[in-house]
Amino acid sequence: GQQLNQSPQSMFIQEGEDVSMNCTSSSIFNTWLWYKQDPGEGPVLLIALYKAGELTSNGRLTAQFGITRKDSFLNISASIPSDVGIYFCAGGYSGAGSYQLTFGKGTKLSVIP
Amino acid sequence: DAGITQSPRHKVTETGTPVTLRCHQTENHRYMYWYRQDPGHGLRLIHYSYGVKDTDKGEVSDGYSVSRSKTEDFLLTLESATSSQTSVYFCAIRTGEAGNEQFFGPGTRLTVL
Repeated sequence: GQQLNQSPQSMFIQEGEDVSMNCTSSSIFNTWLWYKQDPGEGPVLLIALYKAGELTSNGRLTAQFGITRKDSFLNISASIPSDVGIYFCAGGYSGAGSYQLTFGKGTKLSVIP
Repeated sequence: DAGITQSPRHKVTETGTPVTLRCHQTENHRYMYWYRQDPGHGLRLIHYSYGVKDTDKGEVSDGYSVSRSKTEDFLLTLESATSSQTSVYFCAIRTGEAGNEQFFGPGTRLTVL
């Protein structure tokens, strides 16, 4: 099946620093989604991207849909302790009505106060 | 809050016993999904449904069956549980007609001894 390569797998940063993570795919997607998961909870949707080249912000979070449609990036500015968690990318392709998503394996973010 | 509940939230069972997990939604969405989440694998699709009595297999469907007799409920059944099915199971719904956005329930932690 399709695979997404998400990097880095984990990162430790100081509070106040900016964070960047990315996902790449061998296949084209027409949707990129970014989720955050806290321990013991389900993933929560942060940002949805639907157009190649699109740049979308949600507070301190900014995500981009790569122009090749095979990658996406998530940036977090001025990190705070509550940013701790696992961030997942997901690519979707609305072909033949299946609306399935393929998920990356996640980036575990730790913030040092 | 996408109005998704899962039950039970935690279950411990023995190898060879049948297990049924329930996902319930309150918003009448057509598409529902079952995923499992394991360390090192991220979220993997088990089965999904695109309407009452309409279901299809996902990436890791072996050993699982599903049923959807009414819009609001999507059941996942392990006919004879195995230790390899120890995992956290998430239900998700797809919202909107144009997008691929999926919203997740709180998860069920299943342990098969």
